[in-house]
Amino acid sequence: QKEVEQNSGPLSVPEGAIASLNCTYSDRVSQSFFWYRQYSGKSPELIMSIYSNGDKEDGRFTAQLNKASQYVSLLIRDSQPSDSATYLCAVVPTGRRALTFGSGTRLQVQP
Amino acid sequence: EAGVAQSPRYKIIEKRQSVAFWCNPISGHATLYWYQQILGQGPKLLIQFQNNGVVDDSQLPKDRFSAERLKGVDSTLKIQPAKLEDSAVYLCASSLKPGVSYEQYFGPGTRLTVT
Repeated sequence: QKEVEQNSGPLSVPEGAIASLNCTYSDRVSQSFFWYRQYSGKSPELIMSIYSNGDKEDGRFTAQLNKASQYVSLLIRDSQPSDSATYLCAVVPTGRRALTFGSGTRLQVQP
Repeated sequence: EAGVAQSPRYKIIEKRQSVAFWCNPISGHATLYWYQQILGQGPKLLIQFQNNGVVDDSQLPKDRFSAERLKGVDSTLKIQPAKLEDSAVYLCASSLKPGVSYEQYFGPGTRLTVT
């Protein structure tokens, strides 16, 4: 079982819709979770961090964490074509002090 | 605030040659990371430094890869000799000290092609 799993996509949504990206992780005791956005040919860019169960909102982005079910999700409201990118989920596993990344979900927002 | 700087941005070498990458982290960031990202995959940690000490190099292929962070600021990652499977983007990232923050900020990366 991979430490961090994401559906590779592509996830295609129309402009203005809500995009929902999901991630599951294997380490039940992980405490820190991150979402990065990566445009093609660019480096990852941090967009959200979440540490507690529940929702965390930042503009059009909402991160949701459910530690009991070991999943973290990212919702993008009012999706724009400029949101088209690969979204990487990252976790800090127990006993480590660096991020473990999933392979990313490619999001396509159709105009 | 200046971001993480890396050079070169692109490098093409033949197999069995050597190559070196340079990284300058965000000012004040004690922790520096080198990741390898192969096309279609997420970044994979190669080595993590805390100041100038190695915290984690468990996934660094030590027979061919080496890294150093002299004086706890800049870092260099070297590959010698390179193999075809080393073709990837090499990303440097930095963060405040673990326990303070795990939020990592990435440089632009170096795209390495081994022919």
